[in-house]
Amino acid sequence: SQTIHQWPATLVQPVGSPLSLECTVEGTSNPNLYWYRQAAGRGLQLLFYSVGIGQISSEVPQNLSASRPQDRQFILSSKKLLLSDSGFYLCAWTRLAVQETQYFGPGTRLLVL
Amino acid sequence: RKEVEQDPGPFNVPEGATVAFNCTYSNSASQSFFWYRQDCRKEPKLLMSVYSSGNEDGRFTAQLNRASQYISLLIRDSKLSDSATYLCVVLPGGFKTIFGAGTRLFVKA
Repeated sequence: SQTIHQWPATLVQPVGSPLSLECTVEGTSNPNLYWYRQAAGRGLQLLFYSVGIGQISSEVPQNLSASRPQDRQFILSSKKLLLSDSGFYLCAWTRLAVQETQYFGPGTRLLVL
Repeated sequence: RKEVEQDPGPFNVPEGATVAFNCTYSNSASQSFFWYRQDCRKEPKLLMSVYSSGNEDGRFTAQLNRASQYISLLIRDSKLSDSATYLCVVLPGGFKTIFGAGTRLFVKA
């Protein structure tokens, strides 16, 4: 069966510091991968998606970036965090070329102070 | 107009009540529809897919009306454990997925 991992689970970072969140998927190959952010009390905002290694599409311009160095690894980064980057970051996957439900990782809760 | 809009919440209902959520979408070419459930401080989890013919899973029934561009979720005999936020999800095509803002449900004893 497929499993999706995210770490860290919780992170408190000062404004201006860098960020690296990691997501890995097990039990499948060639997944579509997604990064979402959910601000407190709000809906999910799609940040990036990837259909393959090195292929990243950005949905919202911001100070975040994403990379996919391996088939089942998706990384969300920032060089300098802003207060507005605080939120719940969720990674999700779907099978490639199939429009179907997305399965989410447990998320990383980020607080920027 | 938002791409996906849901009933504003929260819904406060007693145990055993029937509650219905509606969701409208703007893109008539949308292909797939889902309801997700999200517990407080947790990730969203798939509740059920929504098919044109309607589908039922125990106490939960989902309906799709393509002509009016809305989907619905009906929960019968509400349980305390049904308390959560319910997210409407629409796939308009390609790799994009649009989540509604969610409707919060509180089921009280």
